Amino acid sequence: SQQGEEDPQALSIQEGENATMNCSYKTSINNLQWYRQNSGRGLVHLILIRSNEREKHSGRLRVTLDTSKKSSSLLITASRAADTASYFCATGVKGGSGNTGKLIFGQGTTLQVKP
Amino acid sequence: KAGVTQTPRYLIKTRGQQVTLSCSPISGHRSVSWYQQTPGQGLQFLFEYFSETQRNKGNFPGRFSGRQFSNSRSEMNVSTLELGDSALYLCASSLGELASYEQYFGPGTRLTVT
Repeated sequence: SQQGEEDPQALSIQEGENATMNCSYKTSINNLQWYRQNSGRGLVHLILIRSNEREKHSGRLRVTLDTSKKSSSLLITASRAADTASYFCATGVKGGSGNTGKLIFGQGTTLQVKP
Repeated sequence: KAGVTQTPRYLIKTRGQQVTLSCSPISGHRSVSWYQQTPGQGLQFLFEYFSETQRNKGNFPGRFSGRQFSNSRSEMNVSTLELGDSALYLCASSLGELASYEQYFGPGTRLTVT
């Protein structure tokens, strides 16, 4: 099964509202990353938070990480119609000797922001 | 810097054929990874190359293979195509090891197998 499970699977809000997406994972991680994907296109990296960090900000994005609960959340404040996209969390899991590890993606949250 | 480029962007093939997809990473990036994205399975890791060596591989059959050239450009090949291989194939490049650095994705190649 996937390392990352995201909640909710779909979210619909009005422009100007905040959007919160959650990600839970199962194993120890090196870092957790969030990506955005507009319909059928490539992913865009949003933010990377390392396992020894608890919170990180980038513009209107705020990411928290709770390693004791194995969970993370992505908050988008003052959402815009242009934020409509799918959002994925990805966990960086270290490998053994000679192995660079893996980046394992969750199933994603589909966000719709209505104008 | 130019972003990650993938060619072709769209491809239609018939069952049993083979296909080769190409990826050019961001200049200076030596790690290239490939992912398959389908509505049912989501984003699944295929393999990663660094300095022409495959460092990591996902759980895909041997019909899926890849390689990386000395200029870091990478190709992936799928032989004996099946209907289930229809997917968006994404390539990503990064500065270093897979579990530690952010990935920069290309626009993808949409493969349709009929």
